[in-house]
Amino acid sequence: DTAVSQTPKYLVTQMGNDKSIKCEQNLGHDTMYWYKQDSKKFLKIMFSYNNKELIINETVPNRFSPKSPDKAHLNLHINSLELGDSAVYFCASSQRNLGYRVNTEAFFGQGTRLTVV
Amino acid sequence: GDSVTQMEGPVTLSEEAFLTINCTYTATGYPSLFWYVQYPGEGLQLLLKATKADDKGSNKGFEATYRKETTSFHLEKGSVQVSDSAVYFCALSDYNTNAGKSTFGDGTTLTVKP
Repeated sequence: DTAVSQTPKYLVTQMGNDKSIKCEQNLGHDTMYWYKQDSKKFLKIMFSYNNKELIINETVPNRFSPKSPDKAHLNLHINSLELGDSAVYFCASSQRNLGYRVNTEAFFGQGTRLTVV
Repeated sequence: GDSVTQMEGPVTLSEEAFLTINCTYTATGYPSLFWYVQYPGEGLQLLLKATKADDKGSNKGFEATYRKETTSFHLEKGSVQVSDSAVYFCALSDYNTNAGKSTFGDGTTLTVKP
């Protein structure tokens, strides 16, 4: 069973279109994230949700809007796509609240390669 | 804020060579430290971790020791294989700051030649 799954794996679309990427985790984690990885492999966090509440919102254009319908899902909607949005987008999850202060590792999905033409 | 600095790549080694990828960090609290590996076309996966000073994480022949005095977490492997070719990320996570998010280094690309 896939722990963190995101769809689609590949997405090719034209400038100006609106698209969504879906993410689901079956690990029972309370925190989910979206990361963007550019062509140089640099990873940058975009958003984080803890128990469906937005807790991290980095400097990201407001064309990007995350939505978390429940703890197991975190979707990313992008409006008016631009060429510079081309990247690999990773969903991840972790368990933040364990009742003691230990920092757990993040589990990543396989990524969605977005190409804007 | 928290930050992670790791050795720039790319790194190219011959099979059975010794590997070191340096990683240093800056954090205000007491972070946990991680190494993740990303194979071509895949997502990141945890390679090893250490949650407190002097802990040693190990997995698949890789090792890293949490050194608080030098704020370092260098990755080592005694004998690399072609299958170790991947991008390696050093990361930290601090429960008390940044909402528990992981802060990643810029990644180091390793290529191992037969």
